[in-house]
Amino acid sequence: DAGVIQSPRHEVTEMGQEVTLRCKPISGHNSLFWYRQTMMRGLELLIYFNNNVPIDDSGMPEDRFSAKMPNASFSTLKIQPSEPRDSAVYFCASSSRLEGTQYFGPGTRLLVL
Amino acid sequence: SQQGEEDPQALSIQEGENATMNCSYKTSINNLQWYRQNSGRGLVHLILIRSNEREKHSGRLRVTLDTSKKSSSLLITASRAADTASYFCATDANSGAGSYQLTFGKGTKLSVIP
Repeated sequence: DAGVIQSPRHEVTEMGQEVTLRCKPISGHNSLFWYRQTMMRGLELLIYFNNNVPIDDSGMPEDRFSAKMPNASFSTLKIQPSEPRDSAVYFCASSSRLEGTQYFGPGTRLLVL
Repeated sequence: SQQGEEDPQALSIQEGENATMNCSYKTSINNLQWYRQNSGRGLVHLILIRSNEREKHSGRLRVTLDTSKKSSSLLITASRAADTASYFCATDANSGAGSYQLTFGKGTKLSVIP
């Protein structure tokens, strides 16, 4: 298995631009998680899906953030408009069950200028 | 706020020595997990210990859990340079109504000097 795939691996954009991060979970996993990692705040859970349905988005910082999971093999995290404070590494993780081991992707390093 | 807090924040040891990292948490848990993160990479799951377990082993890893003290420790024996990474504990917070959340600490940065 290729593991969790994320794209792009690096993204540099200007403030105000729309940013779309993509994630392909491990085949057969039905739970998908989006995290953000910064030096100041560590690893924060933004939102997670179970069977493609968003369960808890209380970690999404603002309305500028949105996430979708149109099918079991694809999810997006969108930031519109982006701000410099959104600069971070964004991880996607999947698991075969909600309480199970989470498998992380390599992350997307986002820099908003 | 962070559920799990690792201690120490950074640890530097010589190759072959043992490394011990600690994690404290605040509320009751169902299980506690340890993850490793190499620089520039995603997190990798190491071991899970359930709230009714006190100790678990996996290769050179030994994890203990003391629910009365709300703390866990991760011991890496006979450390190698390849063990250099950040180590995170993660606790679950089953808040009911089908909601589930794994909360990570800020990690211990381990450096193993060859």
